[in-house]
Amino acid sequence: AQKITQTQPGMFVQEKEAVTLDCTYDTSDPSYGLFWYKQPSSGEMIFLIYQGSYDQQNATEGRYSLNFQKARKSANLVISASQLGDSAMYFCAMRLNDYKLSFGAGTTVTVRA
Amino acid sequence: EAGVAQSPRYKIIEKRQSVAFWCNPISGHATLYWYQQILGQGPKLLIQFQNNGVVDDSQLPKDRFSAERLKGVDSTLKIQPAKLEDSAVYLCASGRRGKALSNEQFFGPGTRLTVL
Repeated sequence: AQKITQTQPGMFVQEKEAVTLDCTYDTSDPSYGLFWYKQPSSGEMIFLIYQGSYDQQNATEGRYSLNFQKARKSANLVISASQLGDSAMYFCAMRLNDYKLSFGAGTTVTVRA
Repeated sequence: EAGVAQSPRYKIIEKRQSVAFWCNPISGHATLYWYQQILGQGPKLLIQFQNNGVVDDSQLPKDRFSAERLKGVDSTLKIQPAKLEDSAVYLCASGRRGKALSNEQFFGPGTRLTVL
């Protein structure tokens, strides 16, 4: 069974600095997709970024970038130039060919002014 | 386009009572998902529909949970009878038809259930 591990329960970051959120995954399937979602205190899950297992380049979306290290089975999210509005819970998720999303336990990010 | 709608946003019930949640997905989205998110954990898939058919309900506690999507559009999730451990946020998500791994799921605001 696939497994997603997020080892950082909580992180603090100073406004305007960058923060890296760790995510490791475990699967023997060569074809998979990796997602990062943001969940603010209001509760909705907001899609941030996607990386396919066959993608050659690391994904980027604005201030979000994904540091994909396939051999190490890691897909860390980097948030650059942190803003107060980035304070939220962040989830890493994986999809295999059964199309279910399996989520990690999440990391809480608190941005300090 | 309008997002995924869910109601109610909050519900408080006594254990052994029944409760139902409603979800209206984004127009045209064939796939609908219900997730349970216990405080401090990531969402866990309960059931997945493709149009009005069930694709995966392997993690749905079928002795007390049921879900339907009769016309392939909106869906209801029911718990009967509720237990204390059912206290959680219930998230509905929808996605486009197609087998691309990159197809993202769009989530609703969730229903926060408290069982006393």
